[in-house]
Amino acid sequence: DAKTTQPTSMDCAEGRAANLPCNHSTISGNEYVYWYRQIHSQGPQYIIHGLKNNETNEMASLIITEDRKSSTLILPHATLRDTAVYYCIVRPRDMRFGAGTRLTVKP
Amino acid sequence: EAQVTQNPRYLITVTGKKLTVTCSQNMNHEYMSWYRQDPGLGLRQIYYSMNVEVTDKGDVPEGYKVSRKEKRNFPLILESPSPNQTSLYFCASSSGLAGYTGELFFGEGSRLTVL
Repeated sequence: DAKTTQPTSMDCAEGRAANLPCNHSTISGNEYVYWYRQIHSQGPQYIIHGLKNNETNEMASLIITEDRKSSTLILPHATLRDTAVYYCIVRPRDMRFGAGTRLTVKP
Repeated sequence: EAQVTQNPRYLITVTGKKLTVTCSQNMNHEYMSWYRQDPGLGLRQIYYSMNVEVTDKGDVPEGYKVSRKEKRNFPLILESPSPNQTSLYFCASSSGLAGYTGELFFGEGSRLTVL
């Protein structure tokens, strides 16, 4: 089953782009990359997902490498409210959420 | 409003006293799942269900039971709770073919303390 690897923590200055990497080197051809975030102890919130093309929505952009072994979530103009734990998971096989990346946006 | 509802949100109980955490979704989703979250360990899947009467173990099923008699409900049962089951629990649901696609919708969480 595909697993993901993410840095434990990252900092970002308010107003700057936050780039959160994820490694999923064992991903299979039919598996999607999903990103969620969790603010404090609330339920995780869906951000974006993709298969092989780059995706963008009102919250973020997702860049997937051509070999699909890694991806980057981009928050283009991070705000203090984006401080959260960000999870990258692979579906359908792997429903596991690891420890994620704790992003701290600083003033 | 589309939502996943868990009850109770907070519970303090004692070792061995059976309890049930309910989960209900109003989105007609086939897939439902339970997670527990502990400091430093992220979210770990306990059980999941692809559809009515179909359930499977996740990564940490020991000490838990589930049932899926109706599409909307997926209760988590702790037959004999122990202190190591003190945790924050989340229920989630998803649409798509057997939950293979579609985003996961999470409940607000149930914080359980077993003394």
